[in-house]
Amino acid sequence: EIVLTQSPGTLSLSPGERATLSCRASQSVSSSYLAWYQQKPGQAPRLLIYGASSRATGIPDRFSGSGSGTDFTLTISRLEPEDFAVYYCQQYGSSPRLTFGGGTKVEIK
Amino acid sequence: EVQLVESGGGLVQPGRSLRLSCAASGFTFDDYAMHWVRQAPGKGLEWVSGISWNSGSIGYADSVKGRFTISRDNAKNSLYLQMNSLRAEDTALYYCAKGDYDFWSGFMNVWGKGTTVTVSS
Repeated sequence: EIVLTQSPGTLSLSPGERATLSCRASQSVSSSYLAWYQQKPGQAPRLLIYGASSRATGIPDRFSGSGSGTDFTLTISRLEPEDFAVYYCQQYGSSPRLTFGGGTKVEIK
Repeated sequence: EVQLVESGGGLVQPGRSLRLSCAASGFTFDDYAMHWVRQAPGKGLEWVSGISWNSGSIGYADSVKGRFTISRDNAKNSLYLQMNSLRAEDTALYYCAKGDYDFWSGFMNVWGKGTTVTVSS
């Protein structure tokens, strides 16, 4: 099973700043089958990125994903107030099971 | 509008059973894989199970394998999760989620609001 480790656990930033979130896999994620989700308190997760770098429908272009193999990054170029949330990565390149990372909380500094 | 609505959660004693349901609307249900994902209180997301469009392929997390059974009824646009031998550690908010294509090994592009399962005596 592929284990995903997200860092940092918490990121304290101000609106307008750049956020860089890391997701590291215990083994290579085939074909960059990695997704990112955003979850706000009391809400269901929302898909942001799939295929490591493709934005989902309706996601602003300040969100971008990159990486391959075992190292992946989610970047938020300029934080808006609504971006403060928890972010999860998920790999889907390794059957027979899917796995999520432990999450990174982006909080207001 | 694509919508997923979960139901069936509640308080149940350890060792007992519960069946969750998810009603789907707004898309061609039998074109897509479906998933159950859970979130324990204050914790992260945990994939529970996924099922392909025609129920021909199914996957489970190790933590539920042998106790939980996923199924779907394409005629009713519905997804189910039969949970047996429930444990305290199964306590969580259970989300139904739509896969991105017909096989279950993919990402989830639509999520329901979830139904809460509490396992306690």
